[in-house]
Amino acid sequence: QSVLTQPPSVSGAPGQRITVPCTGSSSNIGAGYNVHWYQQLPGTAPKLLIYVNNNRPSGVPDRFSGSKSGTSASLAITGLQAEDEADYYCQSYDSSLRAYVFGTGTKVTVL
Amino acid sequence: QVQLQESGPGLVEPSGTLSLTCAVSGDSISSDNWWSWVRQPPGKGLEWIGEMYHLGYSSYNPSLRSRVLISLDKSENQFSLKVFSVTAADTAVYYCASGRTTTAYNNWFDPWGQGTPVIVSS
Repeated sequence: QSVLTQPPSVSGAPGQRITVPCTGSSSNIGAGYNVHWYQQLPGTAPKLLIYVNNNRPSGVPDRFSGSKSGTSASLAITGLQAEDEADYYCQSYDSSLRAYVFGTGTKVTVL
Repeated sequence: QVQLQESGPGLVEPSGTLSLTCAVSGDSISSDNWWSWVRQPPGKGLEWIGEMYHLGYSSYNPSLRSRVLISLDKSENQFSLKVFSVTAADTAVYYCASGRTTTAYNNWFDPWGQGTPVIVSS
């Protein structure tokens, strides 16, 4: 099982702001390792959305933002759009497992 | 831009060896990236398998280390994955990805290949 916990699902109406939390521990996020976020549209490969906690790659809309505090991180989506329906995963490094780890994944639904 | 493309058999017999290759275009396999493999069992989340750097350094998920080997082919600008003694639990979509970093143990993965499904079955 993953050491990074995410809620199975989050939903919101078009135009709304939602957040996707990622809860870790003192051996990963709390140890200072960076958090990165990926978007996986149905039937496609994951795509980098946020890197090093709060940086957006070129081409990613500024509606997406990331934050990190203590042993947790969060992805925020403002102005929610139908095209944002996807699975979202956080990722970090765990020093106890000595491995890169992904969150359990959150399915975002636009109502 | 950098593109990655996986290839390999889609069906492997139990106890056999899973072998996949990832062709890299738009970048050199000898660049400052960690060439990585990630897998996703049907309906489940992502699992990091391992990575390799062009100078020969490698790192594997401890849960798979005894059965996995990643190698680089600089002449073909590609890297490969072998998983030995496979079981049904190794059935998954396998992705190759470029691991990028600014500091040790802070890699992120970008871009990813499109993924290739592998079924372990007789």
